[in-house]
Amino acid sequence: AQSVTQPDIHITVSEGASLELRCNYSYGATPYLFWYVQSPGQGLQLLLKYFSGDTLVQGIKGFEAEFKRSQSSFNLRKPSVHWSDAAEYFCAVGGIDYKLSFGAGTTVTVRA
Amino acid sequence: DTAVSQTPKYLVTQMGNDKSIKCEQNLGHDTMYWYKQDSKKFLKIMFSYNNKELIINETVPNRFSPKSPDKAHLNLHINSLELGDSAVYFCASSDDGRVGWRGRKIPQETQYFGPGTRLLVL
Repeated sequence: AQSVTQPDIHITVSEGASLELRCNYSYGATPYLFWYVQSPGQGLQLLLKYFSGDTLVQGIKGFEAEFKRSQSSFNLRKPSVHWSDAAEYFCAVGGIDYKLSFGAGTTVTVRA
Repeated sequence: DTAVSQTPKYLVTQMGNDKSIKCEQNLGHDTMYWYKQDSKKFLKIMFSYNNKELIINETVPNRFSPKSPDKAHLNLHINSLELGDSAVYFCASSDDGRVGWRGRKIPQETQYFGPGTRLLVL
């Protein structure tokens, strides 16, 4: 069965500092990996995705993520955080069966 | 021109009532989903329809019944609402997949989410 672990429940970062959110997955075949962001009271917005090819993927809002098969990881990074990046971030893994499994999420707080 | 829309956005109701949530997508996608997000923000898939056919039915009480009148709509009807049904319900849709390397179809395309329906059962 596929699963996702986001080890960090809550991260606080200063505005302008870098951010890294960890994601580890378990999947028996080639995974399709996603990062979504959920702002308070809002739906989920796709930040980026990895299907194949280059293991470093660029997304919207200045985010990037790196797929490391050997570590079963898909960590999300942003070099300089803005106050508007305060939100809930979800990593998800999917495959050929249409099922998307989400991690428990990481809450990001940005301090001035 | 909202891609995935849900109605209502908020729903407050009494225990034991029956209610429906509607979802519509104008993206021309083949597959639609219902997810439940609990109070701890954990997201779990409930159902999925592909071209009006049920393809995913997770362990969900049979008080929950999805209905897909056409490819662009997936509604969720809940009978005899219970306190534990209080959650945010998200609808999503995805394309049927693109053809990848060696003509292999990749069904797990990006899922686009609606704004959510916040259900509170009193």
